[in-house]
Amino acid sequence: NAGVMQNPRHLVRRRGQEARLRCSPMKGHSHVYWYRQLPEEGLKFMVYLQKENIIDESGMPKERFSAEFPKEGPSILRIQQVVRGDSAAYFCASSLDRATSYEQYFGPGTRLTVT
Amino acid sequence: DQQVKQNSPSLSVQEGRISILNCDYTNSMFDYFLWYKKYPAEGPTFLISISSIKDKNEDGRFTVFLNKSAKHLSLHIVPSQPGDSAVYFCAASATGSQGNLIFGKGTKLSVKP
Repeated sequence: NAGVMQNPRHLVRRRGQEARLRCSPMKGHSHVYWYRQLPEEGLKFMVYLQKENIIDESGMPKERFSAEFPKEGPSILRIQQVVRGDSAAYFCASSLDRATSYEQYFGPGTRLTVT
Repeated sequence: DQQVKQNSPSLSVQEGRISILNCDYTNSMFDYFLWYKKYPAEGPTFLISISSIKDKNEDGRFTVFLNKSAKHLSLHIVPSQPGDSAVYFCAASATGSQGNLIFGKGTKLSVKP
């Protein structure tokens, strides 16, 4: 499967726990984007990463949220001390490079439920 | 403040007829527009796009029209098929903010046999 991979597909966490969401971009893609979708809403941009570099984090909440895309391995979106309002679908997308950053291919998403 | 608006939450069309999905935007810096299709429990799938230097782009049954003066774009699907039933998202990208796609809330299209 050469598409964008996300795992887990479903994640349940209790309030105060940490959530780690993983994303492997399409083969050959070196740019990754994270979006969040709340119920009945559109997708909201969170962060744009290149390997070992954050390019745009203007959509990231100031606290508890962080993202990385290491030289080796998947991109990780980390949410510390989760609250009920963090319950949402989190989508990862990838593009070949910065010049084609508008051509984003999305993964199936991780549905986070905070109880 | 929503920069990309899809004012119709849902649309129902008979199979074989035309589906027209509409999208309005407010940011004049947007220079690239995309339509995505999304099935339940799946990620959005890219459908068709248009650059702001064009007013029409066609791909098979799908055509996107851009009216810059009205800040309006539309997606036409002809003929509509039951498999087209999904949520359609309009998205836009602005010069200088590459990578940050701004999405509308989506329109749920139902194509009835």
